[in-house]
Order: sequence, then structure tokens, then C-alpha cells
Amino acid sequence: GENVEQHPSTLSVQEGDSAVIKCTYSDSASNYFPWYKQELGKRPQLIIDIRSNVGEKKDQRIAVTLNKTAKHFSLHITETQPEDSAVYFCAENAGGTSYGKLTFGQGTILTVHP
Amino acid sequence: DADVTQTPRNRITKTGKRIMLECSQTKGHDRMYWYRQDPGLGLRLIYYSFDVKDINKGEISDGYSVSRQAQAKFSLSLESAIPNQTALYFCATSDHQTGGPNQPQHFGDGTRLSIL
Repeated sequence: GENVEQHPSTLSVQEGDSAVIKCTYSDSASNYFPWYKQELGKRPQLIIDIRSNVGEKKDQRIAVTLNKTAKHFSLHITETQPEDSAVYFCAENAGGTSYGKLTFGQGTILTVHP
Repeated sequence: DADVTQTPRNRITKTGKRIMLECSQTKGHDRMYWYRQDPGLGLRLIYYSFDVKDINKGEISDGYSVSRQAQAKFSLSLESAIPNQTALYFCATSDHQTGGPNQPQHFGDGTRLSIL
């Protein structure tokens, strides 16, 4: 079955630094990789996603990279701000008959210190 | 998204009680999902529904049942609640009818369930 490993589980950075969170997956059929941000007490919200036909996608200070050969994808946040503090989840969708069904990583608690 | 509404937002109940959590959406999405969130374990899929006639078990369906009463409504039941079902429960939706195979999921605000 699908499996997603997410690292690190916690990440602490100073404001203005970059943060990188990495996820590895096991199913070579995986073809969709969203990232969600969950602030304390709130719902998970999509911040960026990437499909398997591209290697990188950017949206202002956040970017996602995908290495299909190595089966890993990463979230990059540049110029971090205190409001970036949250739990971040990666996910993957294996496609095929189970397309639409996401498997989530365990989450990364990001703390940005002013 | 305010378009995905979960009720109740909080519930405290006793072991052995039957509980129903409800989810309704105004997004017109065809697919709906129920997840459980525990600290350090991320989001784990309980059940999912591709349409009204299609219900599928997720990775942790034991002890739970669901009903898709309409395209817009998907309820989760705990027939006889036990303390280790204490968790935060999220409903989510996605649009594959018009959007194609790879679509994001949109979450409700969650139901915090405590079983004593």
C-alpha cells in the first residue's frame, strides 16, 4: 500500500531563514503531491501542489520540488515569517483505481522565531 | 472552507454510546472523505465516498461506519464509542467530476471528540 515518510517532525528556524521539509513515498504510480498547512486549532489548507509531469513549482515564497526517480518531494519556504509557524503535511495520490485518495505524511511542526 | 460544514464542533460522550458526526458541503464536489487526526500521526483515512453509491474503507475503518445520504452529505458513526477513538475528526471533499483525477481536498473545521 501507499506509504509516505515525512522529515523532520519538528523544525525551528529564525525569521528570514529558509525551511525545507522532505517526504518520501513508495508507490511509483504516485502522480499528485499536495502540501497542506494547518495552523493551531484550524483545518488543513492546501498551500501548493505538484503533479508528476513537472519537477518544480513556485508560488511566491514557497516552492515544491519533485524527484520521481528517487521518490521524494520537498517543500521549500524562503524568507520565513512568524506567521509561517504551523504544522505542514505532505500527501500523495497513487492514481489508478485509488485516484483521489490521499495518503498523508506524519506532519512537521515548523516554528519561526522572531 | 466555510463550504464544508461539520457538526458538532465539539462532543464529549461516554464509552458505549452511539455517536454521529455530520458533514455537509455546498461545493458541489462528488467525493467526500472522513479522516482522524491524532498527535504525531497525521491524518488517517477512515472512509471515503466517490459518489452516493460508492463507499470505500480507508486504513482505519474498524469501529466506524458511514452513510452518504446525498451528494452533499456524508456522516460518520461510532456505533459503540471507546476511549481510543478520542481524536479530532475532519471531513473533506474533492471535485473529480469536473476537475479530473488529481485534485486537492478541501477540509471542514473539524469535530473534537472526547470519549470518557
